Amino acid sequence: EIVLTQSPATLSLSPGERATLSCRASQSIRSYLAWYQQKPGQAPRLLIYDSSNRATGIPARFSGSGSGTDFTLTLSSLEPEDVAVYYCQQRTNWPLTFGGGTKVEIK
Amino acid sequence: QVQMVQSGAEVKKPGASVKVSCKASGYTFTDYYMHWVRQAPGLGLEWMGWINPNSGGTNYAQKFQGRVTMTRDTSISTAYMELSGLRSDDTAVYYCARGRDVTNTSPFGTWGQGTLVTVSA
Repeated sequence: EIVLTQSPATLSLSPGERATLSCRASQSIRSYLAWYQQKPGQAPRLLIYDSSNRATGIPARFSGSGSGTDFTLTLSSLEPEDVAVYYCQQRTNWPLTFGGGTKVEIK
Repeated sequence: QVQMVQSGAEVKKPGASVKVSCKASGYTFTDYYMHWVRQAPGLGLEWMGWINPNSGGTNYAQKFQGRVTMTRDTSISTAYMELSGLRSDDTAVYYCARGRDVTNTSPFGTWGQGTLVTVSA
């Protein structure tokens, strides 16, 4: 099973700051990594797929990068509505697995 | 628009079974795999398996093999997830999720609203 490790566990930033979230895989997953945003009481929402492709309707301030074992989700300018938990997910091997999440807070 | 509507919250006793439904609309139900993902309170996301609504074929995570059964009724565009031998640590929100494309590994572009299953004596 591929283990995904996300860091940091919590990120506390001011509005307008840049947020950088990391996801590291226990083995190479090529570019088959997705990012999801989950707000309290809601289902997750797909943000990025295959490392760097924004899903439909996702604002340009969200971007993804990486390949192999190291991946990054960047929020270029944090907005209050970005408060959420962010999860990465790999689709290279079964079972599909998720990272433990990074909680983004506003200072 | 593409959407999935799940059945309501359930409270079950340990050892019982629960069956959660997921009614799809806005697309051809048999074209896309349906996955099930669960989330224990305050914890992360855990993939349980998928069903191919066209063939009825399934693929379950090893952790749930022998306890989970995924089925579908194509006449009403509905997928089901039944979990047996419930334990307290099965208490979670259960989501159905559809891929953004027709492959069985597609990222999950659409999610149901979730169904809370509480297991308590």
